[in-house]
Amino acid sequence: AQSVTQLGSHVSVSEGALVLLRCNYSSSVPPYLFWYVQYPNQGLQLLLKYTSAATLVKGINGFEAEFKKSETSFHLTKPSAHMSDAAEYFCAVSDQDGGTSYGKLTFGQGTILTVHP
Amino acid sequence: DTGVSQDPRHKITKRGQNVTFRCDPISEHNRLYWYRQTLGQGPEFLTYFQNEAQLEKSRLLSDRFSAERPKGSFSTLEIQRTEQGDSAMYLCASSGRGHGLLRAFFGQGTRLTVV
Repeated sequence: AQSVTQLGSHVSVSEGALVLLRCNYSSSVPPYLFWYVQYPNQGLQLLLKYTSAATLVKGINGFEAEFKKSETSFHLTKPSAHMSDAAEYFCAVSDQDGGTSYGKLTFGQGTILTVHP
Repeated sequence: DTGVSQDPRHKITKRGQNVTFRCDPISEHNRLYWYRQTLGQGPEFLTYFQNEAQLEKSRLLSDRFSAERPKGSFSTLEIQRTEQGDSAMYLCASSGRGHGLLRAFFGQGTRLTVV
């Protein structure tokens, strides 16, 4: 069974400060990992994904995440927060090729990011 | 716009009534997923289709829930005898073949309120 734990349901930063959203996963098979963003009353938009190529993954809007197998982590970072980054962020896991859950996502509980002027 | 569309966006219903939601995926996508998201939680998988075949159902999908994708295109999710606990956002997503499976596109969701 797969699971995702997002540490901190709320994170608050000042505009221009570093954003760090934490995600740890549990998977019995090599995983694919994802970060999604959700704005109020909207669907989810893919920020970035790890698919077993480079461990440092760059995504849209200046976000990046690093896959660390030894720590079972996939934390999301952005060097300088912008007001428009305020949203809810979800980490998710899926099986790699051949896994029974390939393509099916298991999500964490989400982290709400607030950006102060 | 050729993204995933869901209808209706909002639905308020009385407890005990039946409701049906529709999802139109991106046209060339063969996989279609339904997720449920309650307040303060991440989306939870309900079921998915590959073309018209329903390949997996979560245990969250009680016998009051049924989903169809009759021609491998749009899908419907029906909830019979709604309960207050069914109040949630119902999200639909679709993805393509091969590694396109890893790029799920989500609709804006249908928010159900059971009163």
